[in-house]
Amino acid sequence: GAVVSQHPSRVICKSGTSVKIECRSLDFQATTMFWYRQFPKQSLMLMATSNEGSKATYEQGVEKDKFLINHASLTLSTLTVTSAHPEDSSFYICSARDPSQTNYGYTFGSGTRLTVV
Amino acid sequence: QQQVKQSPQSLIVQKGGISIINCAYENTAFDYFPWYQQFPGKGPALLIAIRPDVSEKKEGRFTISFNKSAKQFSLHIMDSQPGDSATYFCAASWRNQGGKLIFGQGTELSVKP
Repeated sequence: GAVVSQHPSRVICKSGTSVKIECRSLDFQATTMFWYRQFPKQSLMLMATSNEGSKATYEQGVEKDKFLINHASLTLSTLTVTSAHPEDSSFYICSARDPSQTNYGYTFGSGTRLTVV
Repeated sequence: QQQVKQSPQSLIVQKGGISIINCAYENTAFDYFPWYQQFPGKGPALLIAIRPDVSEKKEGRFTISFNKSAKQFSLHIMDSQPGDSATYFCAASWRNQGGKLIFGQGTELSVKP
């Protein structure tokens, strides 16, 4: 089945630094990937839709200059949290859909726990 | 109108019992309704999904019941097991929005042995 690999699984960074999170589709090509953010005991909130070869589409209220998304190939999307602050600490999850599947089956990565100290 | 409302927030069920989680939506354009299971520290995993042209779908111990007129759908977990203890999310999406998923608030299920 479709596999989405996300790295790193955990990262701790100092306030003011930037952190890059990678999301790869391992056995399929994904023209579209999605980035979610999840706070403890809360639901997944869509941050942005990443489109290969074009600019990402951000949800209302998400700072595009703070959360930089690059989808340079059909198998890789990256999320860079710039000038991270403690309030950016969260669980970030990507997902992608295998277009060869007849349903909408979205596969999620295993998530990245970001802690900003 | 894009919200998906999920209840209950938490659920405790005895081993062997039936777990039932409910979701309601407003947007009639939704055409795909999946349920996800999430364990702590992990990404969500697709459990089962349904389209609005069927009223029920069963896969093993998991069943989705779908009521199009009421704009509601539910997940039933038969013979619940301690290993089913996780957080469950319903979701909805529609083609014209590029397939992005709108998630419910989540239900934390605890199955007691």
